[in-house]
Amino acid sequence: GAGVSQSPSNKVTEKGKDVELRCDPISGHTALYWYRQRLGQGLEFLIYFQGNSAPDKSGLPSDRFSAERTGESVSTLTIQRTQQEDSAVYLCASSLAFAKGINEQFFGPGTRLTVL
Amino acid sequence: RKEVEQDPGPFNVPEGATVAFNCTYSNSASQSFFWYRQDCRKEPKLLMSVYSSGNEDGRFTAQLNRASQYISLLIRDSKLSDSATYLCVVNTNAGKSTFGDGTTLTVKP
Repeated sequence: GAGVSQSPSNKVTEKGKDVELRCDPISGHTALYWYRQRLGQGLEFLIYFQGNSAPDKSGLPSDRFSAERTGESVSTLTIQRTQQEDSAVYLCASSLAFAKGINEQFFGPGTRLTVL
Repeated sequence: RKEVEQDPGPFNVPEGATVAFNCTYSNSASQSFFWYRQDCRKEPKLLMSVYSSGNEDGRFTAQLNRASQYISLLIRDSKLSDSATYLCVVNTNAGKSTFGDGTTLTVKP
């Protein structure tokens, strides 16, 4: 079946502009995660959704970052007034359930964001 | 101190070698544990879950020590195709997922 998809695959923007990144999880997956990965570094947890509720937003770097999810489907991550330090690959993952031990995450290919 | 810490690496080993990676975590409320593999400029993919009793999948063996808050991954008979970055992942019961920074393995002919 279809995996996690993300769009756009690449985004180049100018400093100060807003960007919106999209994630389509695997159908039926209730949990959805956003991560940021800077070049040569590990994954930085941003936010996760259980359904359309986001119990933990503590990973969002600043109030310029926000995310929403419609039902148990598409999620968008919005970065307002982008800065050069926002340049990274933004990865989305989904998992079937949220219960202990049943949350293998399947990742999308990521959106590579470059802020000039 | 980071919540999940891994051997910094890089590990450069010859084909056929056995190599072990370690990972420690600080949150005692952590409930589930995984090893992911990430190839260069690709997304991470699940390698294996880590169970309390330890588990094996072919050449890969994962172990968990809850008392010491320590996870390990052993790779036997390394192949060239094992070259990648290996990520330790720790989840709390509330769903927060924390990745280690990864350990890079290069297997050479």
